[in-house]
Amino acid sequence: RKEVEQDPGPFNVPEGATVAFNCTYSNSASQSFFWYRQDCRKEPKLLMSVYSSGNEDGRFTAQLNRASQYISLLIRDSKLSDSATYLCVVNDPDSSYKLIFGSGTRLLVRP
Amino acid sequence: SAVISQKPSRDICQRGTSLTIQCQVDSQVTMMFWYRQQPGQSLTLIATANQGSEATYESGFVIDKFPISRPNLTFSTLTVSNMSPEDSSIYLCSVGFQMNTEAFFGQGTRLTVV
Repeated sequence: RKEVEQDPGPFNVPEGATVAFNCTYSNSASQSFFWYRQDCRKEPKLLMSVYSSGNEDGRFTAQLNRASQYISLLIRDSKLSDSATYLCVVNDPDSSYKLIFGSGTRLLVRP
Repeated sequence: SAVISQKPSRDICQRGTSLTIQCQVDSQVTMMFWYRQQPGQSLTLIATANQGSEATYESGFVIDKFPISRPNLTFSTLTVSNMSPEDSSIYLCSVGFQMNTEAFFGQGTRLTVV
């Protein structure tokens, strides 16, 4: 079983749609959770951290469910510029600094 | 965050040669890491670059193949030695400021070995 699992997609949605990604992690001791965005041929960039209470940043909402060990990312009113790969990332609780990356979910927003 | 400059951005190399990738940060950072991202895959940690001492390598990666230097808190190099086509990948420098917090990435080096 992979430590961080994501549906690879692609999710193909029209502009303006709402789309949600889920991610599951295997180690219940993980404490830090993030969503990164990676554009084609670019480096990953932090989109948002995920807090226990859930957090929102504009059109993006992240939720954490510790009991089920999954993290979600909701994107409302999708824009063409949201097309990218979204990486779910959790800290490795067996290390004080390592991060474990999911394989990413690809999103395509069409006109 | 930090401004992370990585170079070269890309290179095409002959098998059997070596390439050194540089990573320069605009501020002192606690943690520096080197990742590899193969086509269509996620990021795999190669090693943690330790300032003033030998790097800490992950399973499957060895110092002879991927020697790493970190002479100070703002600079590190990764060398890909005796390259083969299987080493064709994107190599990414990453920095972290605190334990269990987010990491920031350089622009990456796209390496093709022919």
